Amino acid sequence: SYVLTQPPSVSLAPGETARITCGGENIGSNSVHWYQQKPGQAPVLVIYYDSERPSGIPERVSGSNSGNTATLTISGVEAGDEADYYCQVWDSTSDQSVFGTGTKVSVL
Amino acid sequence: EVQLVQSAAEVKKPGESLKISCKASGYSFTSHWIAWVRQMPGKGLEWMGIIYPGDSDSRYSPSFQGQVTISADKSTNTAYLQWTMLKTSDTATYYCARQEEAERSYWFDPWGQGTLVTVSS
Repeated sequence: SYVLTQPPSVSLAPGETARITCGGENIGSNSVHWYQQKPGQAPVLVIYYDSERPSGIPERVSGSNSGNTATLTISGVEAGDEADYYCQVWDSTSDQSVFGTGTKVSVL
Repeated sequence: EVQLVQSAAEVKKPGESLKISCKASGYSFTSHWIAWVRQMPGKGLEWMGIIYPGDSDSRYSPSFQGQVTISADKSTNTAYLQWTMLKTSDTATYYCARQEEAERSYWFDPWGQGTLVTVSS
């Protein structure tokens, strides 16, 4: 089945830019979606269709997707951005959704 | 407002059966697929399967096929996830989520608050 690989963790200081990668074979030919999950809470959609923001998600959150890597970018990180982030695609070959391994973002 | 409200946490013994629920409101229940996602303690998200409440068509991840049953009741706008014989390895938080789609791509929004299932002797 299709595998999506994310770095386990990213640590940065407030105000820096977080770039969270999601690697998969030819992932650029799929649409990638991203979720934020804070401790003890349900996941929340933050980017869909590679780069679209749902209402309520700030402009400093953006997404891109090309080749074998999709990227979620959070500019000017704040303490409130500390969370786990997951990418997700629909694998048309197996007709099922696949989630990435998840990345824990820590704001020092 | 689109909402998915899940049933309360459960504590069960191995071998017992269980059915948890996900009640939808604020949209046409029969027009959107509903997904179930497992999150084991301290681990990532795993897609279990989906159901289309309009006709009860369902699909399962191979990892969960035969282990659980996904169903839906149009009369109450409720989706269900069911086990006939729980194992300790079923201990996890289970989320339901509405599936959205565009041009053969699918994503999940919103999500229910999650149901913690604890299986222990």
